Amino acid sequence: AQSVTQLDSQVPVFEEAPVELRCNYSSSVSVYLFWYVQYPNQGLQLLLKYLSGSTLVKGINGFEAEFNKSQTSFHLRKPSVHISDTAEYFCAVSRSGGYQKVTFGTGTKLQVIP
Amino acid sequence: DVKVTQSSRYLVKRTGEKVFLECVQDMDHENMFWYRQDPGLGLRLIYFSYDVKMKEKGDIPEGYSVSREKKERFSLILESASTNQTSMYLCASRKVGASDQPQHFGDGTRLSIL
Repeated sequence: AQSVTQLDSQVPVFEEAPVELRCNYSSSVSVYLFWYVQYPNQGLQLLLKYLSGSTLVKGINGFEAEFNKSQTSFHLRKPSVHISDTAEYFCAVSRSGGYQKVTFGTGTKLQVIP
Repeated sequence: DVKVTQSSRYLVKRTGEKVFLECVQDMDHENMFWYRQDPGLGLRLIYFSYDVKMKEKGDIPEGYSVSREKKERFSLILESASTNQTSMYLCASRKVGASDQPQHFGDGTRLSIL
């Protein structure tokens, strides 16, 4: 079985400040990792994904994430946030091969304060 | 541009009614999913379909059924709606065998059962 933990349900941050949204996962096998963003009244859209290779992954809108296998973490970062980054962010994990169920974290609401 | 379309953004129904939520994708994807999104619980998988007329239960199938008569359309059915089914419902699709690829989401249906 696999699981995803997002410890922070809400993260307030001032505009132009850096932010880190934390994600930890557990799985007994290799996984693929994803970060999705959900803007108000919309569905989820992909920010970035880690499949293999370089542990630092860059995504859209200036976000990046670092895969740390020893700590089973996949934290999302942005050096300088903008008001438009206010949204809910979901970490997700999927095992490799064929159809594999995707497990989502409970989400982190990022509130950017002007 | 790829698109997953959910027929209603907002829906209000009464307890005991039979409710249909419709989802259509234009990407020729084999896999389609129905999730329920509740605050603090993230996304929970209700049902998924890996091909026409094929379906499998997800984590919370009780009180729901699905129908996949055509590849592009996946319907979620609440057999007898109850107030605890008030929620946001998200449909998603993904190409078969592509667990390294993101799911594509619709904008969601916010369902209220009175």
